[in-house]
Amino acid sequence: QVHFVQSGAEVKKPGASVKVSCKASGYTFTSHDIHWVRQAPGQSLEWMAWINAGNGDTQSSKKFQSRVTITRDTSASTAYMELDSLRSEDTAVYYCARSVGATQYFDFWGQGTLVTVSS
Amino acid sequence: DIQLTQSPSSLSASVGDRVTITCRASQSISRSLNWYQQSPGKAPKLLIYAASHLQSGVPSRFSGSGSGTDFTLTISGLQPEDFASYYCQQSYSTLRTFGQGTKVEIK
Repeated sequence: QVHFVQSGAEVKKPGASVKVSCKASGYTFTSHDIHWVRQAPGQSLEWMAWINAGNGDTQSSKKFQSRVTITRDTSASTAYMELDSLRSEDTAVYYCARSVGATQYFDFWGQGTLVTVSS
Repeated sequence: DIQLTQSPSSLSASVGDRVTITCRASQSISRSLNWYQQSPGKAPKLLIYAASHLQSGVPSRFSGSGSGTDFTLTISGLQPEDFASYYCQQSYSTLRTFGQGTKVEIK
């Protein structure tokens, strides 16, 4: 069965970077794109970026373009999201999710990783 | 970016009620619209994809309709486990976006 396990909660100071991992199992990792979505406390879901797990192509929201790096390690079936120059507004739960086929909906999600940015 | 506007932002309803949530896109997105349910502290769960297709395992009381810019999620016969937040999401553009969400609360 498809399953994602994300890395644990992080506490970072403003200006630091954070790298969240998302390990996939139960399917062929390179056959599906991986997306990153975040949710600040009490707020809506916010799409950040995606990676083609097969060829490594990436695309990110204009909001995060200069600060986010999405990578993957196909040998470990793991995707990574690194966010630089953290500020307090980046405090959120970060999710990875798998997209499916031409319709590109998100059918399986990780459990979420809480990133807290505080001095 | 394609903007999605959901309405209402919150609603109060009783068990057994029929509930309708709308999502309007800032441009035509054909039928590339998906709906998710999120309970507190949990990851979102896919309910409807491509505007009207029920995800496997999702109860048939959930249904979706629409195309172009206007979409609807309907819950026919609200159950206690349906009190949650609901989000629309477009997959027409490679730059995905979500609506701001609708919280369904118990009346």
